[in-house]
Amino acid sequence: RKEVEQDPGPFNVPEGATVAFNCTYSNSASQSFFWYRQDCRKEPKLLMSVYSSGNEDGRFTAQLNRASQYISLLIRDSKLSDSATYLCVVNKGGGLTFGKGTHLIIQP
Amino acid sequence: GAVVSQHPSWVICKSGTSVKIECRSLDFQATTMFWYRQFPKQSLMLMATSNEGSKATYEQGVEKDKFLINHASLTLSTLTVTSAHPEDSSFYICSATDPITSGSDNEQFFGPGTRLTVL
Repeated sequence: RKEVEQDPGPFNVPEGATVAFNCTYSNSASQSFFWYRQDCRKEPKLLMSVYSSGNEDGRFTAQLNRASQYISLLIRDSKLSDSATYLCVVNKGGGLTFGKGTHLIIQP
Repeated sequence: GAVVSQHPSWVICKSGTSVKIECRSLDFQATTMFWYRQFPKQSLMLMATSNEGSKATYEQGVEKDKFLINHASLTLSTLTVTSAHPEDSSFYICSATDPITSGSDNEQFFGPGTRLTVL
């Protein structure tokens, strides 16, 4: 089983819609959790950290369920500029473990 | 703040040659840097953890004699791909943590990556 699993997509979503991604991780010792965004042929950029209490940053909401080892990301009122690959990332203490990413395409 | 640079941004070399990639933290001191590799349509994979002044720690399956890592200062880590072959062609990305700004999440700041093509 992969350490971090995501649906690769692609998700084709009309502009303005709400879209949700999920991810599961296998190592219960994982300490911190993130969503990164990666544009084509670029380095990943931190979108937000993820906490059990849930956190929101503008149109983005992330949630962690430690019991189920499940992480989610919700994007509201999607923009064309949200088109990217979204990487679910966990940290066991040291280097990061990345999911393969979910490819999102926002269509006008 | 917390800017990480890499050089070169891309390199094309002949099979059998060695290639050195530099990773620098520009505005902070990084006691720990990480090296990742990403093949097309694949996830980033951690190759090694580079600690200033000590030997790097390699992930399982990564040959330490092929991927030489040197972290001689608090702002510079280098990755040398020795005797590169076409299967080493990949996107190599470094990251660093800033003990001051990383916070409890230990946020890592990524360099822009180096695209290596071995002919």
